[in-house]
Amino acid sequence: AQKVTQAQTEISVVEKEDVTLDCVYETRDTTYYLFWYKQPPSGELVFLIRRNSFDEQNEISGRYSWNFQKSTSSFNFTITASQVVDSAVYFCALSAANSGGSNYKLTFGKGTLLTVNP
Amino acid sequence: EAQVTQNPRYLITVTGKKLTVTCSQNMNHEYMSWYRQDPGLGLRQIYYSMNVEVTDKGDVPEGYKVSRKEKRNFPLILESPSPNQTSLYFCASSLLLPGISPDTQYFGPGTRLTVL
Repeated sequence: AQKVTQAQTEISVVEKEDVTLDCVYETRDTTYYLFWYKQPPSGELVFLIRRNSFDEQNEISGRYSWNFQKSTSSFNFTITASQVVDSAVYFCALSAANSGGSNYKLTFGKGTLLTVNP
Repeated sequence: EAQVTQNPRYLITVTGKKLTVTCSQNMNHEYMSWYRQDPGLGLRQIYYSMNVEVTDKGDVPEGYKVSRKEKRNFPLILESPSPNQTSLYFCASSLLLPGISPDTQYFGPGTRLTVL
């Protein structure tokens, strides 16, 4: 069974603060993929990043950075110098072949609501 | 523009009145899937399809049907909707990479369904 835990239900910060969103995952598969999606108030799901289980390199994209650590089964997301437009629900997700199956469904965490106040 | 489209975006209906939510993608993706999003429960998979005429159940398939007659379309059918199917529905699609591993799933804009 696969599981994604986002322990932070809600986070509130003031603009320009750095904020880290935590994600812990569980899977028995040795090959798997991790994702972050953003859901702004308008409701759509926006893809942010994809990481495979063999690539533990951290990644930076502008103000966004991701820290993948297999040793702790974590894939944390940091926003540097947050802005009001970063306010959204952020989902961490895991995709892997179920044992004996072929469904590459995304198993989502419950999401973290980030509010950035001016 | 590469995209996944869903129609309708909003729908209010009554119990028992059959409805179809359409999903179409223009990226030639093999894999398509439907999810529903509910407060406190997050996103859960309803059905998925690995290719034309190949569909299977996800985690919460009860009360839903799907079909995949063309690669680009993956409609979600509610034969007899009930109030517990009130939800936000998302269609997603992705490539299947060599060795059958998943690529990134891209989502449609969502369909907000209310069943009275």
